[in-house]
Amino acid sequence: EVQLVESGGGLVQPGRSLRLSCAASGFTFDDYAMHWVRQAPGKGLEWVSGISWNSGSIGYADSVKGRFTISRDNAKNSLYLQMNSLRAEDTALYYCAKGSHMVQGVIDYWGQGTLVTVSS
Amino acid sequence: QLVLTQSPSASASLGASVKLTCTLSSGHSSYAIAWHQQQPEKGPRYLMKLNSDGSHSKGDGIPDRFSGSSSGAERYLTISSLQSEDEADYYCQTWGTGIHVFGTGTKVTVL
Repeated sequence: EVQLVESGGGLVQPGRSLRLSCAASGFTFDDYAMHWVRQAPGKGLEWVSGISWNSGSIGYADSVKGRFTISRDNAKNSLYLQMNSLRAEDTALYYCAKGSHMVQGVIDYWGQGTLVTVSS
Repeated sequence: QLVLTQSPSASASLGASVKLTCTLSSGHSSYAIAWHQQQPEKGPRYLMKLNSDGSHSKGDGIPDRFSGSSSGAERYLTISSLQSEDEADYYCQTWGTGIHVFGTGTKVTVL
């Protein structure tokens, strides 16, 4: 059974940093692309960032480019999101999601999310 | 620019059918999409991948009541024999070079 468990969320002041983690199990982690998707309170889904199986292809939404960094450790079956210079508009539930292929493709599994609140 | 357009809401009676539409932006009519369901207070769940020719592959445990079809730039999700647990938000998703895009979602109400 595929499991994606996010951690690292919390309350942080504007301008500060936070690092999210996602522990994956139930599949061969290094065979698939992985993603972070967020959902602001009462809003829809927004893709944040994605990374290919070998970290060779990485993409970011314009809203986070230059501030967020995605990475993965295939030896630890883990995905990360380093979030710097956080803003109030980054407040959201952040989901870890599995891609269906090594590089591109649909998202076919989701975690339960970790809440990030940016407020002074 | 890669954009997915969805109607904000749809409704149908218990046991009836509802058809949701996701429209791809100009120049992207050959793209495949995915449909995701988000029930109230829950995380999203992958329903299916839907290709431009209407072929689709469903996620684990997705009932036969959920089906997909395509016509031009439009991608459809049909839910038959509506049940109360189908009341949810439904999002379409696609991808381009280096980016992924979600539609704004359609809220389905079961009457």
